Amino acid sequence: QKEVEQNSGPLSVPEGAIASLNCTYSDRVSQSFFWYRQYSGKSPELIMSIYSNGDKEDGRFTAQLNKASQYVSLLIRDSQPSDSATYLCAVPAGSARQLTFGSGTQLTVLP
Amino acid sequence: IAGITQAPTSQILAAGRRMTLRCTQDMRHNAMYWYRQDLGLGLRLIHYSNTAGTTGKGEVPDGYSVSRANTDDFPLTLASAVPSQTSVYFCASSDSMVTGGYNEQFFGPGTRLTVL
Repeated sequence: QKEVEQNSGPLSVPEGAIASLNCTYSDRVSQSFFWYRQYSGKSPELIMSIYSNGDKEDGRFTAQLNKASQYVSLLIRDSQPSDSATYLCAVPAGSARQLTFGSGTQLTVLP
Repeated sequence: IAGITQAPTSQILAAGRRMTLRCTQDMRHNAMYWYRQDLGLGLRLIHYSNTAGTTGKGEVPDGYSVSRANTDDFPLTLASAVPSQTSVYFCASSDSMVTGGYNEQFFGPGTRLTVL
């Protein structure tokens, strides 16, 4: 089992819809969780971090964490074409507790 | 400058040549990282440094070496490049130690390396 797994996608949603991106992780002791956005040809950009169970909202983005289920998700409300990118989930894992990235979910928001 | 810079932006290299990718940050972050990103394989950690003077191996360290002489710079060296090292390389930094810290990492713009 991979340490961090994401729906590989691609995921397409119409403009204005809610996009839901999912991530599961295997390391039960992980305490911090991150979502990065990566536009094609660009570097990853941190958009959300979450450390406690429950929801964390930042503008149109909501991160949801369930440590018991080892599951973290990212919801994008009122999706815009500019949200079209690959979204990477990242969790500290392994013996050195280094950030481990999922393979990413490619999101396309259709105008 | 503010943030992380990497050089060169892109490079085509003959197999067997030595190459150093440069990374500099001005945020005074104590930790720095090198990743490679390949299609279908995502971001994989090559080497990291929790603080100046220390380095550690990541998931894919073979064929690469790093040094951390000071806080700001973290060069990555390919001693003898091979075609399988063709990739996009990202440097990142964070303001926390890994153990017990919140590992928010910030990325440089990347170096696209092609080894022929």
